Amino acid sequence: AQSVTQPDIHITVSEGASLELRCNYSYGATPYLFWYVQSPGQGLQLLLKYFSGDTLVQGIKGFEAEFKRSQSSFNLRKPSVHWSDAAEYFCAVGPRDFNKFYFGSGTKLNVKP
Amino acid sequence: GAVVSQHPSRVICKSGTSVKIECRSLDFQATTMFWYRQFPKKSLMLMATSNEGSKATYEQGVEKDKFLINHASLTLSTLTVTSAHPEDSSFYICSARQTGNTEAFFGQGTRLTVV
Repeated sequence: AQSVTQPDIHITVSEGASLELRCNYSYGATPYLFWYVQSPGQGLQLLLKYFSGDTLVQGIKGFEAEFKRSQSSFNLRKPSVHWSDAAEYFCAVGPRDFNKFYFGSGTKLNVKP
Repeated sequence: GAVVSQHPSRVICKSGTSVKIECRSLDFQATTMFWYRQFPKKSLMLMATSNEGSKATYEQGVEKDKFLINHASLTLSTLTVTSAHPEDSSFYICSARQTGNTEAFFGQGTRLTVV
């Protein structure tokens, strides 16, 4: 069965601290992997995506993610969090023909001043 | 990136009435559009996939007669919630994809409240 697990529902970090959001997936074929961010009342904005090649991918706003096939993980990282990063983050996986996304349940990030 | 516009962003309707939500691709032709529903504190759940000019494919458990999806043109898909009930209150998000493009672009979502 296809699924995406984000084990952390809420995370609070101090501004300037590093961040890692976890994502594990179960997928029967080679996946495309994505991280999206959703600010309150807003739609989803794509942070980054992994299709193939280098397993460390860079995204917008200073985010990066590392694909680890052996662990079925695609964790999102940022070296120094800004207050504006407070939002909800969704990991998603899809097939190569991108006909259907499977989303994780999301991780809500709070940033302490 | 490409722009997908969803309208309205918020709507309140009375129980028993119908409400239509529009999803438009502004600068590309969306051969495929997806409709998602987001429950409070839960993830986005795919409701249906629609290809332009074809009937939508609904996910298991989604009532076709209640959630009517029309994708009559390459730039517009609509979701109509018929005979809305308070339990239909949710955040609905569409996404749109071009043929051959591996990325789908999301609208800003519609907050539906049924009173």
